Amino acid sequence: AQTVTQSQPEMSVQEAETVTLSCTYDTSENNYYLFWYKQPPSRQMILVIRQEAYKQQNATENRFSVNFQKAAKSFSLKISDSQLGDTAMYFCAFMNPNTGNQFYFGTGTSLTVIP
Amino acid sequence: DGGITQSPKYLFRKEGQNVTLSCEQNLNHDAMYWYRQDPGQGLRLIYYSQIVNDFQKGDIAEGYSVSREKKESFPLTVTSAQKNPTAFYLCASSRGWTGVRTQYFGPGTRLLVL
Repeated sequence: AQTVTQSQPEMSVQEAETVTLSCTYDTSENNYYLFWYKQPPSRQMILVIRQEAYKQQNATENRFSVNFQKAAKSFSLKISDSQLGDTAMYFCAFMNPNTGNQFYFGTGTSLTVIP
Repeated sequence: DGGITQSPKYLFRKEGQNVTLSCEQNLNHDAMYWYRQDPGQGLRLIYYSQIVNDFQKGDIAEGYSVSREKKESFPLTVTSAQKNPTAFYLCASSRGWTGVRTQYFGPGTRLLVL
């Protein structure tokens, strides 16, 4: 099984500041997909951003961007101009298309945005 | 609106009782999944189905059963063999077999044991 590691159980950031959440993964595959999901207090899982491993360009979605380092097997999420609504659990996930659609999730990082 | 619905929002189980969690999607997705979420842990895969009338065990299938008689529906039964069923259960679905198969999630069901 693939492993996904999020080494920061909890983080906090001041409103309007920038924060980076870390994620590393272990795989021998060359083709795969990586995702960040957000789970606010409502517990609804919401897709934040995704990255295809074959793309060298880092994905960006408005205030959210990733730093994808394939050789280092690292996939960090940067949140710019943090807002109170960004307070949530953030999960990193890995998907190998060669083994069905199975996702492997990290244990999550709890992010608190401080007003 | 397209989406994934789960019911009920809260479910209480008595000892020795089987309970069924509902998951329905109107996104025309082929694949559906069930995850269990416990405090301090990520999501763990229970079962998944890539096509109607077919499903595969995930990492923690013991004590659970599923069916996939319709494309839109993927109910999960928590049997009496599951000794620690208290958890938050999430259903997800994804489209097709090529490209980025992003999973989209329902709102979840909280299962509690009486």
